[in-house]
Amino acid sequence: GAGVSQSPSNKVTEKGKDVELRCDPISGHTALYWYRQSLGQGLEFLIYFQGNSAPDKSGLPSDRFSAERTGGSVSTLTIQRTQQEDSAVYLCASSPWTGTETQYFGPGTRLLVL
Amino acid sequence: AQSVTQLGSHVSVSEGALVLLRCNYSSSVPPYLFWYVQYPNQGLQLLLKYTSAATLVKGINGFEAEFKKSETSFHLTKPSAHMSDAAEYFCAVSGTGTASKLTFGTGTRLQVTL
Repeated sequence: GAGVSQSPSNKVTEKGKDVELRCDPISGHTALYWYRQSLGQGLEFLIYFQGNSAPDKSGLPSDRFSAERTGGSVSTLTIQRTQQEDSAVYLCASSPWTGTETQYFGPGTRLLVL
Repeated sequence: AQSVTQLGSHVSVSEGALVLLRCNYSSSVPPYLFWYVQYPNQGLQLLLKYTSAATLVKGINGFEAEFKKSETSFHLTKPSAHMSDAAEYFCAVSGTGTASKLTFGTGTRLQVTL
């Protein structure tokens, strides 16, 4: 069975451009999470989806960041007007249910903003 | 609010020696606790988790951790280190339901020497 996949694996962009990062969760997993890993801030939670709804968006750092999930499956994280401080590895995780279920992580998208 | 403190950003042990990675947590509700491992340029892999069942939790690759409520600790141990254990280790805490996001510690990089 396939794990969580993310694309692209690497993305280099210029400051001010918009980027879209994609996450394909494990089939059947209803919960999906986005995290960011950076040298200065460590691993930070961004947003959580249950189905297509996002009951917790508390980690999104600014209104330049948004995410959606469609069909209870694929999720896209969009960063508008990228800044150099957005450079990080963006990790996606999914789990079959909320609660004590394990979150399974994808390999991440490494974003570099020049 | 929940938080995790990992003592020691770098730990070095000899091959065959005991591995001890420290984690203390703070949580206003009964916590769920996790240890994840991250190898270079890879995503996070679950080592083990505590979800209010047995306080001594056994995980993959010979690792185990003991939940001690009185000490608010969840230290990770392995009796005999192997070169392949060299990686970064993250302790994390979560709640349940809409509070199921993971809050991570800052990580401990384990070095294993000959």
